[in-house]
Amino acid sequence: DGGITQSPKYLFRKEGQNVTLSCEQNLNHDAMYWYRQDPGQGLRLIYYSQIVNDFQKGDIAEGYSVSREKKESFPLTVTSAQKNPTAFYLCASSIVASFSYEQYFGPGTRLTVT
Amino acid sequence: GENVEQHPSTLSVQEGDSAVIKCTYSDSASNYFPWYKQELGKRPQLIIDIRSNVGEKKDQRIAVTLNKTAKHFSLHITETQPEDSAVYFCAASGGDDKIIFGKGTRLHILP
Repeated sequence: DGGITQSPKYLFRKEGQNVTLSCEQNLNHDAMYWYRQDPGQGLRLIYYSQIVNDFQKGDIAEGYSVSREKKESFPLTVTSAQKNPTAFYLCASSIVASFSYEQYFGPGTRLTVT
Repeated sequence: GENVEQHPSTLSVQEGDSAVIKCTYSDSASNYFPWYKQELGKRPQLIIDIRSNVGEKKDQRIAVTLNKTAKHFSLHITETQPEDSAVYFCAASGGDDKIIFGKGTRLHILP
């Protein structure tokens, strides 16, 4: 393990609060991704970034925001507008800015909102 | 957009037997099909992938087959071992340049 890290491993928040999940990579990868994993739902793409200072919405971007100010970092903010934020969040990176290459995943952050 | 269906959702096989997981996709423009393995409490990791210009790919006990005409691809694991127990995800990408994952198959290897 190593190369792509996420913190914290577990996160608890009260409803109505924004929360930011950290994702850092030292692989010098161009592209970074955020996925949400729910039981029985597979991985669903939230946002992705193929270059610094640029990012695009994935399939379930509503209620989330991201930034990519540095190549190594791609934080995800879960806003109070996300109706069902409790989930397991996975960050990933790929050496090439294309979905048609291997993605390296971080260990994930389990977010619980009550 | 792309849609990926994965079956079965749960699979139990006797240790030493073979396991097969199947996926279908809808976008004929998809050209990259990876398989990820996620062990309990761990991150997903790529175990094998195939591109649309190839019909089959093998890596030791693991193989993937692709039928572009029927738009389906399958993961084959032979001589299963206890460490093969995990959740397996298929995915497809290339059509609209995004990736869509299947919902996963939980594989149990029985002693």
